[in-house]
Amino acid sequence: SAVISQKPSRDICQRGTSLTIQCQVDSQVTMMFWYRQQPGQSLTLIATANQGSEATYESGFVIDKFPISRPNLTFSTLTVSNMSPEDSSIYLCSVDSQTTNAGYEQYFGPGTRLTVT
Amino acid sequence: KNQVEQSPQSLIILEGKNCTLQCNYTVSPFSNLRWYKQDTGRGPVSLTIMTFSENTKSNGRYTATLDADTKQSSLHITASQLSDSASYICVVLKNQGGKLIFGQGTELSVKP
Repeated sequence: SAVISQKPSRDICQRGTSLTIQCQVDSQVTMMFWYRQQPGQSLTLIATANQGSEATYESGFVIDKFPISRPNLTFSTLTVSNMSPEDSSIYLCSVDSQTTNAGYEQYFGPGTRLTVT
Repeated sequence: KNQVEQSPQSLIILEGKNCTLQCNYTVSPFSNLRWYKQDTGRGPVSLTIMTFSENTKSNGRYTATLDADTKQSSLHITASQLSDSASYICVVLKNQGGKLIFGQGTELSVKP
């Protein structure tokens, strides 16, 4: 299993500013994922972050808006840049971890609740 | 189009009662289907994972079923408790590319 922590747990930010969200995992993992969950919606994948390479962004998400760092195998950051009220969401970090039955399970962090005013 | 549809959108039941949540998917090719529980303000937590060949899998009071022919799954909760109040999300892992396709979730509220 994997235990994931995120900082901050919540924040209220003014439009036009940027917020960096940190994700820490208790074990080394190859891939880390960043998701967005808008109010009343399900999860949408923003990007996949591999250590030592550029993050891979999903359609509709760009690096200038959501720059990601992955300095080592247990840590990643997601920055939400030049925020607008439409960026108000829960941002979740996630990892794949091998389970005892040789399969892979996906674990999620507690999320960062962002409100942009 | 790869989709995961859940029903009902929301559900209110009395404590101690049973309930069944539905999930229909069109994701292809299919690798596995997962049910997650997401408490308010928390990240999703896995309840079950089922592959193509599995029809039923239980995790305590949670029992998931899968019919790969009709592309339907259900999550049955037995003897509900107040702590079962949460959003339940059906997620399908696509075989090609390893993408997770999320359903919209069913919001369950268990009342005393």
